[in-house]
Amino acid sequence: QKEVEQNSGPLSVPEGAIASLNCTYSDRVSQSFFWYRQYSGKSPELIMSIYSNGDKEDGRFTAQLNKASQYVSLLIRDSQPSDSATYLCAVRGWDSNYQLIWGAGTKLIIKP
Amino acid sequence: DAGVIQSPRHEVTEMGQEVTLRCKPISGHNSLFWYRQTMMRGLELLIYFNNNVPIDDSGMPEDRFSAKMPNASFSTLKIQPSEPRDSAVYFCASSLLGGETQYFGPGTRLLVL
Repeated sequence: QKEVEQNSGPLSVPEGAIASLNCTYSDRVSQSFFWYRQYSGKSPELIMSIYSNGDKEDGRFTAQLNKASQYVSLLIRDSQPSDSATYLCAVRGWDSNYQLIWGAGTKLIIKP
Repeated sequence: DAGVIQSPRHEVTEMGQEVTLRCKPISGHNSLFWYRQTMMRGLELLIYFNNNVPIDDSGMPEDRFSAKMPNASFSTLKIQPSEPRDSAVYFCASSLLGGETQYFGPGTRLLVL
């Protein structure tokens, strides 16, 4: 059973601080990793994707991948109240025929 | 450019009734996914299609659920008969075949009384 694990939270972070969200996965041959953001009552939207070990930066967001340890993380610098949402980690293996395996999501609350 | 379109946005029905959810994927996308989201179980993949062909329906809860994709621009998810435990938000998503970004529709909020 392929699994993706996330701490459900809520994770409370003061405005302006760095929010760190973590995700672990069970399938060693996973190839692609995604972070989706979901605001309350809305649908998920892709904010970051990462495919190789190391860091990938996009504005205030940094995705980090460590395949040896089977974890992927998302850092949000200079957190804003508008970053308050649930963050879903999704993983795709090489044989999954485009199907994503989803974590349960971490609820992030940025306190002004 | 229109995104994924779902209808209805909200549905309230009584136990035992048939429910049909509809989805129009983004034009040109070859893969379509039906998800169900609840607080208890999170986001669950029910079924997905590539080029209108069902690839994996192992997530469909039971025979009461069925999905069709008669053409590249339309898909339905049907629940017959509906039960209170089917209450959830149902999302449709689409992507390019082999593409890794899934674009979600706004969802249908289903309440079965």
